Amino acid sequence: DIQMTQSPSSLSASVGDRVTLTCRASQGIGIYLAWYQQKPGKLPELLIYAASTLQSGVPSRFSGSGSGTDFTLTISSLQPEDVATYYCQKYNSAPLTFGPGTKVDI
Amino acid sequence: EVQLSESGGGLVKPGGSLRLSCAASGFTFTSYAMSWVRQAPGKGLEWVSSISSSGGGTYYADSVKGRFTISRDNSKNTLFLRMNRLSPEDTAVYYCAKGQVYTYSFVDSWGQGALVTVSS
Repeated sequence: DIQMTQSPSSLSASVGDRVTLTCRASQGIGIYLAWYQQKPGKLPELLIYAASTLQSGVPSRFSGSGSGTDFTLTISSLQPEDVATYYCQKYNSAPLTFGPGTKVDI
Repeated sequence: EVQLSESGGGLVKPGGSLRLSCAASGFTFTSYAMSWVRQAPGKGLEWVSSISSSGGGTYYADSVKGRFTISRDNSKNTLFLRMNRLSPEDTAVYYCAKGQVYTYSFVDSWGQGALVTVSS
């Protein structure tokens, strides 16, 4: 099975900072990669699918890129409400594995 | 508006069984793949199982294969997860999750979750 890793596992940044999160697949998955945000005590929310397509309603400061095995989620200007854990998920085939997550603090 | 409402969670002894249900509304249930995703206390998201829109295709994580069964009743807009031989490692909040029209898909809507606790 394809393994998903994320780095860093956690980070702390300042308001207004540009933040880049990385997700890596152990084998190529094309662009079948989604990103989710889970705020403390809340449900996960879809941010990006197909590696770079922004879900409707998601602020434009979020962007995604990558294909194959290496993917990034970028927050162009970190806001206080972005404190959350971010997960990637592959969906090219089963198992639809999630990455372990990156916790973002301010 | 998409609504997913889980039921059937609770406390069960190791080795026991439980069936989760998810009532769906606000979209054409018969057109979409559905999944179960779980989250153990303080841990990350874990994909558990997915089912195609027709129910003809089912897929499982290795951790639950042979013990869990996903199914759906398209006439009642309801998704199920039958869980057998439960162990403490299955303790988690189980989320019902709506996918896309194709079986392998990301999740765009989540239920509120059903807590399953496996303990003696």
